[in-house]
Amino acid sequence: GAGVSQSPSNKVTEKGKDVELRCDPISGHTALYWYRQRLGQGLEFLIYFQGNSAPDKSGLPSDRFSAERTGESVSTLTIQRTQQEDSAVYLCASSLGGNIETQYFGPGTRLLVL
Amino acid sequence: QKEVEQDPGPLSVPEGAIVSLNCTYSNSAFQYFMWYRQYSRKGPELLMYTYSSGNKEDGRFTAQVDKSSKYISLFIRDSQPSDSATYLCAMSAYSGAGSYQLTFGKGTKLSVIP
Repeated sequence: GAGVSQSPSNKVTEKGKDVELRCDPISGHTALYWYRQRLGQGLEFLIYFQGNSAPDKSGLPSDRFSAERTGESVSTLTIQRTQQEDSAVYLCASSLGGNIETQYFGPGTRLLVL
Repeated sequence: QKEVEQDPGPLSVPEGAIVSLNCTYSNSAFQYFMWYRQYSRKGPELLMYTYSSGNKEDGRFTAQVDKSSKYISLFIRDSQPSDSATYLCAMSAYSGAGSYQLTFGKGTKLSVIP
């Protein structure tokens, strides 16, 4: 079956613009995670959705970052007024239930803020 | 001190060698321990996970956890050029916000030379 997909695969934007990144999880996976991977750094947790529960937003670095998820399907990560330090790969992962130990990752969106 | 420390390498070994990859951690609350493999411009792929001290073997891969020393390892036997990738350790703990979160090491870049 299809894995986790993300779009766009690459995004170049100017400082101050807003961007939207999309994630399509594996069908049937109720849990969805967003991570940020800066060059030479480990993955940083951003936000977690589980079913209809309130999302865990504890990893969002500032109020410029927000995310939504429609039911148990597509999620969108929005970065407003982008800054150069937002340049990174944004990775989405999904898992069955809340099984954090078996997350499946998408290929990521490479964001470059000029 | 970061919660998870991992030597970024790069590590270069000849084909057929035994590879040892390691991470140390400081948070005693970590419960699950995982190793991911990430090929260039791809999302991380789960290799192995475990939740107890000791060894877990899967083919050429062995994951080792020593909770008393807060130290985990991944061993690769009979390494192949196709093993060339970045290896990320990850550990999970309850976030206190209703979910478990993964904390990743920075990753070790491995090259297996034919």
